[in-house]
Amino acid sequence: AQRVTQPEKLLSVFKGAPVELKCNYSYSGSPELFWYVQYSRQRLQLLLRHISRESIKGFTADLNKGETSFHLKKPFAQEEDSAMYYCALSGLGAGGTSYGKLTFGQGTILTVHP
Amino acid sequence: DAGITQSPRHKVTETGTPVTLRCHQTENHRYMYWYRQDPGHGLRLIHYSYGVKDTDKGEVSDGYSVSRSKTEDFLLTLESATSSQTSVYFCATRGAGAWNTEAFFGQGTRLTVV
Repeated sequence: AQRVTQPEKLLSVFKGAPVELKCNYSYSGSPELFWYVQYSRQRLQLLLRHISRESIKGFTADLNKGETSFHLKKPFAQEEDSAMYYCALSGLGAGGTSYGKLTFGQGTILTVHP
Repeated sequence: DAGITQSPRHKVTETGTPVTLRCHQTENHRYMYWYRQDPGHGLRLIHYSYGVKDTDKGEVSDGYSVSRSKTEDFLLTLESATSSQTSVYFCATRGAGAWNTEAFFGQGTRLTVV
């Protein structure tokens, strides 16, 4: 079975403060981890994936297989970062292919105050 | 936005009636997913498909069935709607190629069972 846990339903910070959204997963095979974001009145969209090792909108996330975590971080939060954030998990096959279920966590609502 | 459309966008139905939601894609993606989004539960997978006529259950499949007779369409049916199925339903699609693992989401369908 595969499972994603986001322990914080709500997270509030002030503009300019660092932010960290936690994600832990359970998966027996080789995992592929993602962060998706849902802004108000917009479709859910990909923020970043661990295999790309990229930084999007100042956000980064590092896959820690030992701790089975994929926490999302940003050093200086902005008001426009306020949104619902989901961590997601899928299986990673040979050659970077993806397969099977795409499982999401419970989501964290981030509010950045001015 | 990716070519994924859900219909209808809103529906109110009575308890005990059958309901079918449609997801249509123009991306030729292999994988298609149905989720429900509820406060406190995040996105929960109902069913998914890994090809035409190939489907599998997710974590909350009871009371739901799906069909995929062609690549572009994935139907979700509530055989006999109950109030507990009041939710927002999202369809998603995903390719299967290497590094092509981003999921694209529809706009959502808000279903109310009275």
